[in-house]
Amino acid sequence: DTEVTQTPKHLVMGMTNKKSLKCEQHMGHRAMYWYKQKAKKPPELMFVYSYEKLSINESVPSRFSPECPNSSLLNLHLHALQPEDSALYLCASSLQGQGFGKLFFGSGTQLSVL
Amino acid sequence: AQTVTQSQPEMSVQEAETVTLSCTYDTSESDYYLFWYKQPPSRQMILVIRQEAYKQQNATENRFSVNFQKAAKSFSLKISDSQLGDAAMYFCAYSYNQGGKLIFGQGTELSVKP
Repeated sequence: DTEVTQTPKHLVMGMTNKKSLKCEQHMGHRAMYWYKQKAKKPPELMFVYSYEKLSINESVPSRFSPECPNSSLLNLHLHALQPEDSALYLCASSLQGQGFGKLFFGSGTQLSVL
Repeated sequence: AQTVTQSQPEMSVQEAETVTLSCTYDTSESDYYLFWYKQPPSRQMILVIRQEAYKQQNATENRFSVNFQKAAKSFSLKISDSQLGDAAMYFCAYSYNQGGKLIFGQGTELSVKP
């Protein structure tokens, strides 16, 4: 299994809602990532988990809250988002550190904030 | 600061022809990694090819090859015998060590004409 599975594929939420994005991999990777991507732009790193511990937070607003319950699962909890947070949210995983570049990405969750 | 520049926002190629995508980067490091990622309409980022800076030999992966010019800080991607499935956004990326952050260029959108 060489897949990173993200659910849901699409999400529409109001600014007062609370929702969660889910990411799962069964490749035994111990590093997992959240990226945010606007249309026709490169992905922007948000968070990195290494061995289930948060190792990098790229100064992301607290309305985004990551969680890594186990080595296969990564969540992104969303609360009180703004319309400018509408974007594609990509999850990725890797066996080694991200600098080796061998990241496996999911297909993303397209988020719309109304 | 490390930067990655892709000067061609869009490119087009005829099916079965060859196309070259350009990428330049700026770094003061001597040892680093360079990558090309592909993002088709499915939105899943896929690693196409990877080059280690200490290796003089250009990386190849089937129809994909790179021209790595370390002194010129240039890293172009050549796609031979282009296929319709090659139509995608292509991102050049850089990292300077295993724990380093992936730095992406702005992307080149490639269309393939039948």
